[in-house]
Amino acid sequence: DAGITQSPRHKVTETGTPVTLRCHQTENHRYMYWYRQDPGHGLRLIHYSYGVKDTDKGEVSDGYSVSRSKTEDFLLTLESATSSQTSVYFCAISVSGDNYGYTFGSGTRLTVV
Amino acid sequence: AQSVTQLDSQVPVFEEAPVELRCNYSSSVSVYLFWYVQYPNQGLQLLLKYLSGSTLVKGINGFEAEFNKSQTSFHLRKPSVHISDTAEYFCAVTPFYNTDKLIFGTGTRLQVFP
Repeated sequence: DAGITQSPRHKVTETGTPVTLRCHQTENHRYMYWYRQDPGHGLRLIHYSYGVKDTDKGEVSDGYSVSRSKTEDFLLTLESATSSQTSVYFCAISVSGDNYGYTFGSGTRLTVV
Repeated sequence: AQSVTQLDSQVPVFEEAPVELRCNYSSSVSVYLFWYVQYPNQGLQLLLKYLSGSTLVKGINGFEAEFNKSQTSFHLRKPSVHISDTAEYFCAVTPFYNTDKLIFGTGTRLQVFP
């Protein structure tokens, strides 16, 4: 997966608790993304980052925050988890130029009970 | 804004038969187009992409897609499928001027039967 590691791979948490998902990359890519995958919706962009401390909102950012204090790490935080945030979360990086494209991590399956 | 429509949520097909997975997009500007495959309990893997040049794009595992600008389509084809092609397939688009946001269709589940 082009050096992208997501942790944890699976998590069950209770409604109202904060949760942080981590994405780690080893290839110094500038752009990083968080998507969520839900049946019938495909993948939807939550937040993305274009550099250290530079982030922006995606299509479904409500209830989520992100941080990027180092190039290699992009954290997604659910401030107060709700059942509607039960989903599979994917981190991705993009490569520019002739090899332009996105590469995805293996995903984190989050269940909020 | 851009959008992607995958017209079929499920496509059942017998092994060794040809298959076409349909993808249409909407955009007022030029776009880059992608097909990704997701095997059960795995992440997304790039099958192929169209950035420019020849409108017929060949990808991995014997898949190909044709970009049709006039019909705003990017259909995925394989002449003979295998059981191992059973997976979910996603079409995605990004505008050429702002490649920060890859927009996905809702996916097509390809089920190959023996």
